[in-house]
This record gives sequence, structure tokens and C-alpha cells, in this order.
Amino acid sequence: QLQLQESGPGLVKPSETLSLTCSVSGGSIRSNNYYWGWIRQPPGKGLEWIGCIFFTGNTHYSPSLKSRATISIDTSKNQFSLKLYSVNAADTAVYYCARHWARAHDYWGQGTLVTVSS
Amino acid sequence: QSVLTQPPSASGSPGQSVTISCTGTSDDIGGYNAVSWYQQYPGKAPRLMIYEVTKRPSGVPDRFSGSKSGNTASLTVSGLQAEDEADYYCSSYAGSNNLRVFGTGTKVTVL
Repeated sequence: QLQLQESGPGLVKPSETLSLTCSVSGGSIRSNNYYWGWIRQPPGKGLEWIGCIFFTGNTHYSPSLKSRATISIDTSKNQFSLKLYSVNAADTAVYYCARHWARAHDYWGQGTLVTVSS
Repeated sequence: QSVLTQPPSASGSPGQSVTISCTGTSDDIGGYNAVSWYQQYPGKAPRLMIYEVTKRPSGVPDRFSGSKSGNTASLTVSGLQAEDEADYYCSSYAGSNNLRVFGTGTKVTVL
């Protein structure tokens, strides 16, 4: 059974960089069939798609976050990562990693809350 | 990149049906057969319930069904059960840059 697990600091200061990693187990990240992506959800609000990456390193981003987000992949560790630069309070959210399949998201991590505060 | 519009809430009694709408544009819902629906309980990760407008992943009850007409997609839950009380989000593929958009979310209450 495929499992995804987010990890990273739960507290980030304003103007600094948010860094999260998603570890994938139970399957290989090196697949021609899937993209791997990040989605976030501010407290009490809806879901927002951030972006995704293919195992070759090809990436796609939400236009609203493209200038501040970088997604990378490490196939040797079966992990992919998110960096979000120059964060502010509006970036406080639960961040999920997920597998993209059939133009949907079929496996999700449990999510990790990141709070932006000094 | 716009957000898809859903009603904030919907409700029904046990055994009844409830239908949730999801309205987008020709750049997302209307342009592709790539609408998906997610169920989310408080404090939990979303769960895929419907993909490619009408298809159900393994393990999803056939009480859940999806459809689309023009720029609007719908999720119908038939034979409502107490466990169906949750938030539901639609999502759509939105273009050649592999873009995705999500709906505003609908809270379903079982009366």
C-alpha cells in the first residue's frame, strides 16, 4: 500500500523559507504514470493546489505561487520536496503531499501544519 | 487561475439523496473530462471519491456518482448515511501546464 508522509518545521518566521519533504513508501517515485504534488489548506478554508513534479524533474506550478515556490525530487531517496520563499501569515496552512493519477489525486499524506509567525 | 464555485452547504435525511454542484469555466470543467471529487473529515486528509467525472476508485461505495454538463459538474450521494457527513471538494484539470483548481468546498450534513 502506497504511503506518503510529510516532514518539516511546524513554525517558520515571516520572510523566511518554508521547506517540506514528502517521503514515499510502498512504491517507487520513478514512474511514468504519476506526477507528485503539493496542496495546502489554510485553517478553516478550502484546498489550494501548489504544484507538481515528474520523476524527470519536470515541474508545473500554480500561477499564483509560481514566483515563490520550488518543487524538487530525489529519486534515490524516494522523496520530493517543496520550498516556499518569503512566507507571510497567509501561508499558514496544512500542507499535503499527494500522488497525481488520472488527473486526480489518489493518495495523500496525512498533512502537516505550518504556522508562519515571529 | 480561478477557484471552482460550490454551495457552502447541503443537507439531507438518512436514505435521501443530496447533489452538490461545482461551477467552473470552459478553461477547466468545460474543457476537459477531468473532474474529481474529494471527501474530507475534520482533521483528516481528503479522500478521492470520483475521478474523470464519473469513475469511482476501488472501495468507494456506488452511492457516490458524478456527472457533468457544460461548465458545471455534480456529485450525487444517494441513500445518505451518517458517515457521509463531511466536507466535499471538487477539482478539475485546467490546462496544458498540468494545472489543477479546487472548488470552494461544501459541507454536507445528514439531518
